[in-house]
Amino acid sequence: KQEVTQIPAALSVPEGENLVLNCSFTDSAIYNLQWFRQDPGKGLTSLLLIQSSQREQTSGRLNASLDKSSGRSTLYIAASQPGDSATYLCAVDNYGQNFVFGPGTRLSVLP
Amino acid sequence: KAGVTQTPRYLIKTRGQQVTLSCSPISGHRSVSWYQQTPGQGLQFLFEYFSETQRNKGNFPGRFSGRQFSNSRSEMNVSTLELGDSALYLCASSLVGGQAGTEAFFGQGTRLTVV
Repeated sequence: KQEVTQIPAALSVPEGENLVLNCSFTDSAIYNLQWFRQDPGKGLTSLLLIQSSQREQTSGRLNASLDKSSGRSTLYIAASQPGDSATYLCAVDNYGQNFVFGPGTRLSVLP
Repeated sequence: KAGVTQTPRYLIKTRGQQVTLSCSPISGHRSVSWYQQTPGQGLQFLFEYFSETQRNKGNFPGRFSGRQFSNSRSEMNVSTLELGDSALYLCASSLVGGQAGTEAFFGQGTRLTVV
């Protein structure tokens, strides 16, 4: 059974810092790994999708990497801003069965 | 291009009642999945529909059911509501689902409160 964990559970940083969020999964039989952000009480916004055959994806200040063999992904946020404050969720697509989500990392970027 | 639309956004129901939630996927998307989000359990998979057929189902009781119409719009129904059904219900759409490189997009969710 696929299990996804995220470290840290919460993170508070001053504006301008670079930061790394971590995601681990137990079963490497995945099609995709997708990072989402969720603002309080809202839906999920897709940030980056990494296919199992890819090593990383970049979008603006965001960079996500995937090491399928070790069951790890990282989301790197450069030059953080207060608007980046949200919960970040990692989800693995288990060979098309469904998404299995991590518990999320709650990020606060202080002005 | 319109995103995933869920209606209603908020619902308050009484224990024992039933409720129907609706999800309109992005135009051209044929896969619709439903998830329940609670503070204690996080995001949990309910079921997935593709071309009007349920392809996958999560570990939820039979009180939770769904369907998909020919235009890919989907509904989920919860009968005999319990207090523990209070949650944010999220719908996701993707082109075909279950393939490498298929990105999923989520709606804003329906907040269900059972009193």
